[in-house]
Amino acid sequence: GAGVSQSPSNKVTEKGKDVELRCDPISGHTALYWYRQSLGQGLEFLIYFQGNSAPDKSGLPSDRFSAERTGGSVSTLTIQRTQQEDSAVYLCASSSSLGRAANTGELFFGEGSRLTVL
Amino acid sequence: AQSVAQPEDQVNVAEGNPLTVKCTYSVSGNPYLFWYVQYPNRGLQFLLKYITGDNLVKGSYGFEAEFNKSQTSFHLKKPSALVSDSALYFCAVSPAYSGNTGKLIFGQGTTLQVKP
Repeated sequence: GAGVSQSPSNKVTEKGKDVELRCDPISGHTALYWYRQSLGQGLEFLIYFQGNSAPDKSGLPSDRFSAERTGGSVSTLTIQRTQQEDSAVYLCASSSSLGRAANTGELFFGEGSRLTVL
Repeated sequence: AQSVAQPEDQVNVAEGNPLTVKCTYSVSGNPYLFWYVQYPNRGLQFLLKYITGDNLVKGSYGFEAEFNKSQTSFHLKKPSALVSDSALYFCAVSPAYSGNTGKLIFGQGTTLQVKP
């Protein structure tokens, strides 16, 4: 597609339920990132996938959070046993490893998935 | 600890006036520096970046930013603000140790309000 696509755009769930958030990056982008945007917390890095390398999971806040990227394209962020503090906008971004944007932090963001945990 | 500070939660300017959105950072080495903008209900959009070279970098929509190593600052500027510039602005740093990937440290964001 033309841009990074995320779904669902809004998700309301009950505390303790599991949720899955999906990201479809720009075609051909080898790098994919998940960030979390919370009120008062700004943007936090969660996880980074680059090609076939092992993902950098250093930003995941707890073992309830996991992510996978199948076939080097679509990624799913899973939050198990959701808590109210998980309420946030989850942003996905992708970048190319080729050209001027290569490895220079120029990310293309999706519009985010707003998660509300009641 | 590595950090980025945007000291102003909100900046208000009149249309046609110059604007400055401040950013300072605390990162070891020679980081890459970025500004991103977020319009209401939209994802972040890249504005500009400093990698190396000229301290004054120019980006999208007439914005520019000046890298000041001694003051560890990277303030965003525009000579003449437009109402359409009203948005949330984020400063971000890619620490040198990260291999200059997209693993960024973001500031808290500054809301820019441009009034007609």
